Amino acid sequence: AQSVSQHNHHVILSEAASLELGCNYSYGGTVNLFWYVQYPGQHLQLLLKYFSGDPLVKGIKGFEAEFIKSKFSFNLRKPSVQWSDTAEYFCAVIVTGRRALTFGSGTRLQVQP
Amino acid sequence: EAGVAQSPRYKIIEKRQSVAFWCNPISGHATLYWYQQILGQGPKLLIQFQNNGVVDDSQLPKDRFSAERLKGVDSTLKIQPAKLEDSAVYLCASSSGNRDNSEQFFGPGTRLTVL
Repeated sequence: AQSVSQHNHHVILSEAASLELGCNYSYGGTVNLFWYVQYPGQHLQLLLKYFSGDPLVKGIKGFEAEFIKSKFSFNLRKPSVQWSDTAEYFCAVIVTGRRALTFGSGTRLQVQP
Repeated sequence: EAGVAQSPRYKIIEKRQSVAFWCNPISGHATLYWYQQILGQGPKLLIQFQNNGVVDDSQLPKDRFSAERLKGVDSTLKIQPAKLEDSAVYLCASSSGNRDNSEQFFGPGTRLTVL
């Protein structure tokens, strides 16, 4: 069965610092990859997604992620974080033929002003 | 566009009691999901409906959990009897498409505490 690993459970950054959150998945076939974000007190919402084509995908609020097939990775990046980026970030995968998401355990990001 | 609605938002019960959660997906969305999110973990799929039919319930503990989606719209998830380890946030999500990459929209969740 597929699984998703997020290596950083809790990240603390100062404003303007660069962010990279790691995500690795285990599945040998074709996958669709997602990053979801949950701001304090709000719903889970989609940040960005990768299906095919350019492995560098851009999402909302200046976030981007790069799919590296050889490393089974889909890391999330942002050049300069803001206090409003404080949230929990989840990496998720859908394998071909299924539609349900398999989530990682999440990374809690705390941005200090 | 109205989002996915869930109720109640919070529920506290004692073990061995029963509880039910309700979900109203985004209008027109054929696919509905129930996920369980235990504290410190990512959401885990419990059951997936396509219209009013079950697509995947392989991770649903069927001895105590049940779910239905009558008429292919609203859905209810029931736990009977509840155990301490059922304490979690129960998330409902819906999507419109029938492709693997259709975006799922999540509701606010129901936080269940079992004492």
